[in-house]
Amino acid sequence: GAVVSQHPSRVICKSGTSVKIECRSLDFQATTMFWYRQFPKKSLMLMATSNEGSKATYEQGVEKDKFLINHASLTLSTLTVTSAHPEDSSFYICSARPWDRGETQYFGPGTRLLVL
Amino acid sequence: EDQVTQSPEALRLQEGESSSLNCSYTVSGLRGLFWYRQDPGKGPEFLFTLYSAGEEKEKERLKATLTKKESFLHITAPKPEDSATYLCAVQARYSGGGADGLTFGKGTHLIIQP
Repeated sequence: GAVVSQHPSRVICKSGTSVKIECRSLDFQATTMFWYRQFPKKSLMLMATSNEGSKATYEQGVEKDKFLINHASLTLSTLTVTSAHPEDSSFYICSARPWDRGETQYFGPGTRLLVL
Repeated sequence: EDQVTQSPEALRLQEGESSSLNCSYTVSGLRGLFWYRQDPGKGPEFLFTLYSAGEEKEKERLKATLTKKESFLHITAPKPEDSATYLCAVQARYSGGGADGLTFGKGTHLIIQP
């Protein structure tokens, strides 16, 4: 149990376009989901905490108007990278926390974004 | 500010050679300490959650322990398929405001040679 999926697994887009990444908890409900970013050979950095039915909480330095997060249901959160630029190219990973597993977060497989 | 330091950065072992990975942490009240395994190009795979000093968890060849300042991931008689990056993360006591994520260390890149 506790499977998290992400779609797409990789995406290439042109500079200036927007890209939407979906994160789904497949076999559990998650009131809280998280979005992380990972640069090559670096560790994961938290971008934002997404709570179902309310606005996301962004970490310091993360532009909320650039990285739009929507958590419309207990199994789905989306991250939209707006007006993407090459420096937004990265590995985006979401996680979800089941309500009955304490503090443990389960991670998705990640989405590789390349902005040309 | 919460901090997690993992050592060594990289470790190369022979198959069957046991060792330990270290995770030192500084956090304003620990809610949980987590170990994950990450393979190249994939998301982290959950291994263990530890909540209080003295707690131990085991799974196959892995054993995680926790003190008030650090955690160890012991690997007994490793196999080549244990090769991966092992990540340690902490979650601090919730301070309100909605932010509630994990702080990760940089990881230990483990290679097990046959």
